[in-house]
Amino acid sequence: DTGVSQNPRHKITKRGQNVTFRCDPISEHNRLYWYRQTLGQGPEFLTYFQNEAQLEKSRLLSDRFSAERPKGSFSTLEIQRTEQGDSAMYLCASSLATALAKNIQYFGAGTRLSVL
Amino acid sequence: GNSVTQMEGPVTLSEEAFLTINCTYTATGYPSLFWYVQYPGEGLQLLLKATKADDKGSNKGFEATYRKETTSFHLEKGSVQVSDSAVYFCALSKTGFQKLVFGTGTRLLVSP
Repeated sequence: DTGVSQNPRHKITKRGQNVTFRCDPISEHNRLYWYRQTLGQGPEFLTYFQNEAQLEKSRLLSDRFSAERPKGSFSTLEIQRTEQGDSAMYLCASSLATALAKNIQYFGAGTRLSVL
Repeated sequence: GNSVTQMEGPVTLSEEAFLTINCTYTATGYPSLFWYVQYPGEGLQLLLKATKADDKGSNKGFEATYRKETTSFHLEKGSVQVSDSAVYFCALSKTGFQKLVFGTGTRLLVSP
């Protein structure tokens, strides 16, 4: 059973460093979403891709954040010059957006980022 | 904008008790509504969904009915088990094909 895979599971970094997370979606899913979840809150949308095209970005996604999905397969989320406020769980989800599949989003276990 | 409001937790119940977790939403048009569950150390899992008014989503003994008139999608289960202990998130998607907007989550603790 190959679900959505996220790596690493945990990342500890010092303020000002750059970090990159990877998400491998379910094979053949054409949509890939990134969300951020802080303690005691629900996930908040950051951005999503349809195949390799980034179609929407949240205002939460400052210019220090960049996401890519080359070739429409895996995706990376990079945070430059990390700040303590970036500490959160970063969730990836993928879906098959067709009329039949109804775009059900399947989530990975997340990458927990701690910025010291 | 679109938003979801859930009852605050934790909700603490004894095994076999009846469960209700309230969820109300604000959205234009007719969003799709979802309940996701997050078990400790695991990713979010879709529990059930409803895509139009008066639809009832159900799974694993859980049910929720899409009530347009009260903009609600309350989660219910007739008899909870210890294994149901988790955090439950109510969410909406404007058309069912877009991003999810989540509530803050409700932690359920079931004791034997």
